[in-house]
Formats: sequence, structure tokens, C-alpha cells
Amino acid sequence: GAVVSQHPSWVICKSGTSVKIECRSLDFQATTMFWYRQFPKQSLMLMATSNEGSKATYEQGVEKDKFLINHASLTLSTLTVTSAHPEDSSFYICSARVRLAGASYEQYFGPGTRLTVT
Amino acid sequence: AQSVAQPEDQVNVAEGNPLTVKCTYSVSGNPYLFWYVQYPNRGLQFLLKYITGDNLVKGSYGFEAEFNKSQTSFHLKKPSALVSDSALYFCAVRDMGATDSWGKLQFGAGTQVVVTP
Repeated sequence: GAVVSQHPSWVICKSGTSVKIECRSLDFQATTMFWYRQFPKQSLMLMATSNEGSKATYEQGVEKDKFLINHASLTLSTLTVTSAHPEDSSFYICSARVRLAGASYEQYFGPGTRLTVT
Repeated sequence: AQSVAQPEDQVNVAEGNPLTVKCTYSVSGNPYLFWYVQYPNRGLQFLLKYITGDNLVKGSYGFEAEFNKSQTSFHLKKPSALVSDSALYFCAVRDMGATDSWGKLQFGAGTQVVVTP
């Protein structure tokens, strides 16, 4: 089955530093990937949609200069949290979408990355 | 605009009893509906989906869900709950009638299921 991996699975960084999170589709090509963040015991909030070879589309309220997204290939998207602050501490989950026969899509989720900013 | 409501923050059930997790939705077009389960510090695992066809959808781990168009509901059910079913459950909808949705999934707030031995 389709597998989406994330690296690292958890990271601790100091305030003011930048952190890069990778999302890979291991056995399929994903033209579209999504980045979500999830606070404890809350739902997933979509941050941005990235399409391979083009700029990401950010949801309202998400700072694109702070959360840099690069979808460099059909199997890799990266999220860089720049100048991280404690309020950026969260669980970040990526998802890769693949088009199926006809006009339907399937979406596969990564295992998530726990970011803690101290 | 699409939305999903999970009216219960938590559902408690004894092992062996039936489990129901409620979900209602609102979309402008035809809905694609999904259920996912999340264990602590893990990503989402797909359980089942409804796109078209039979209103009763069977999924992984003995779960099923019934699509009810008139009530705009998609409740998740399991006839006999296990302690290992204790987790966070998310209902999600994709509005196929929205022109700017990019096929995005809208998630409900989640329902914590606690199954006691």
C-alpha cells in the first residue's frame, strides 16, 4: 500500500532556530501534498497545499514567510519552520494525494513530526 | 463551504458493547466522507470512506459507517468494541462541489473513544 514517511519523527530546537521537516511518498508519486498542524487533543488544521513545481497555497492566517514549503519533486515536500518560537511547538502531519482512475483522489498521511521549541 | 461536526468530545463504552461515533456534515455538492483513527503521537490511519453506492460502508478493523443523506450524517459503528479501539477518531469530508477546494479534506474536531475492560 501507499506509504508516506516523515523525518524527523520528533525534534527539539531552541527558540530562534529553523527546523526542516521532510515528507516523502515512498512508493507513489504525489503531485499534491498537504501540511497540517495539530495541537494536543485538537483536530488537524490545514496549513498549506503544495503542488510539485509551483508555489504553495497557504490557508488564511498561516504565515508563509515563517512556514516555508518546498515541493521539489513528486516524492518530496519539505516544511521549514523559520525562527521557531515556543508557540510553534505542535504536531505536524503531512499528507500526499494521488489521483486514481477517473476523477477521484486518495490521500495518505504521514506519521507526524512532534516539534518542541524551547 | 464545507464543515464537519462531531458532537461528542468523548465516548465511553464497555468492551464487547456496540460503539457509535457520530458525525454530521455540510457541503455544497456531493460529499466524499472519511473516517480516520489516530493513536497517541501517531499519524492518521484510514478506516473507511464513502464516495458513492451502498450507504453502508465497511472498513478496517470491523468498523462500518452509514451514509444518511437526508440527515447529512456519517456515523461510525462497531458491533463489539475492543480495548484496543481506544483512540481519537476523526470524521472528514471533501466537498466535490466546491470549485476552490483543491479536493481538500475538512476534519471534524475529533472524538476520543475510551473502551473499558
